[in-house]
Amino acid sequence: EVQLLESGGGLVQPGGSLRLSCATSGFTFNNYAMSWVRQAPGKGLEWVSAISGSGRSTEYIDSVKGRFTISRDISGNTLYLQMTSLRAEDTAEYYCAKISLGMSGIFYFDSWGQGTLVTVSS
Amino acid sequence: HSALTQPASVSGSPGQSITISCTGTSSDVGSYNLVSWYQQHPGKAPKLMTYEGSKRPSGASNRFSGSKSGNTASLTISGLQAEDEADYYCCSYTGNSNWIFGGGTKVTVL
Repeated sequence: EVQLLESGGGLVQPGGSLRLSCATSGFTFNNYAMSWVRQAPGKGLEWVSAISGSGRSTEYIDSVKGRFTISRDISGNTLYLQMTSLRAEDTAEYYCAKISLGMSGIFYFDSWGQGTLVTVSS
Repeated sequence: HSALTQPASVSGSPGQSITISCTGTSSDVGSYNLVSWYQQHPGKAPKLMTYEGSKRPSGASNRFSGSKSGNTASLTISGLQAEDEADYYCCSYTGNSNWIFGGGTKVTVL
C-alpha cells in the first residue's frame, strides 16, 4: 500500500523559511515523479512543483520560482520542499502526491498524503 | 494557462445522476485525454477518481465516469449516494510537468 506522510509545516513569519518533508513507502520511490500541491484555506487545489524520478528535472509554478526548491532523497525515500522568502499568500495545506504515467502518456496524481499546514503570518 | 472553469455547486437526490463540467481551452482540456478528476471530503486529502479522460483507478467506484467534448471535460456520478457529497476538482496536464486545476465543485446530496 502506497503511503505518503508529510511533516514540517507550522507558523512562520513573512520572509522566513521552512522545509517540508514527505516520507514515502509502498512503492519503488525512484521509479516515480513526485509533486507538491497546495490548498489555501477554503480555496481550491493549486499545483506547486514536480520532480522527476531521478531528481534531475524539476518544475515550478511561476509564483514560487526562485523561492521554493523541490528535491528528493532516493536512499531515504523522502521528498522535500524547501521554502524561502515566504509570503502570506503561501499560507496553505501542502500535499505531496505521487505521479503516475497512463497508457496514453498522460501524467496524473494517483496517491496523496494527508497534508501539512503552513501558515505565514506575523 | 488559466485555471479551468467548474460550476461552484451541483446537487442531486439519492439515486439520481449528476454531471460536473470542466471547461478549458484547446491547449489543455481540448488537447487529447489530459484530464483527471479528484474527490475531496472535508478535512481529507484528495482522491483520484478518473484519469486520462475516462479511465478509473483500481478501487474506484464504477458509478464515476469521465468524458470529454471539445474543450469541456465532464465527470458523471450515477446512482448518487450520501457518501458522494464532497468537493470535486478537475485537473489538466499541460505538458513539461505542469498541471492546472479547476476551481472545484461542491456536490450536495439532497
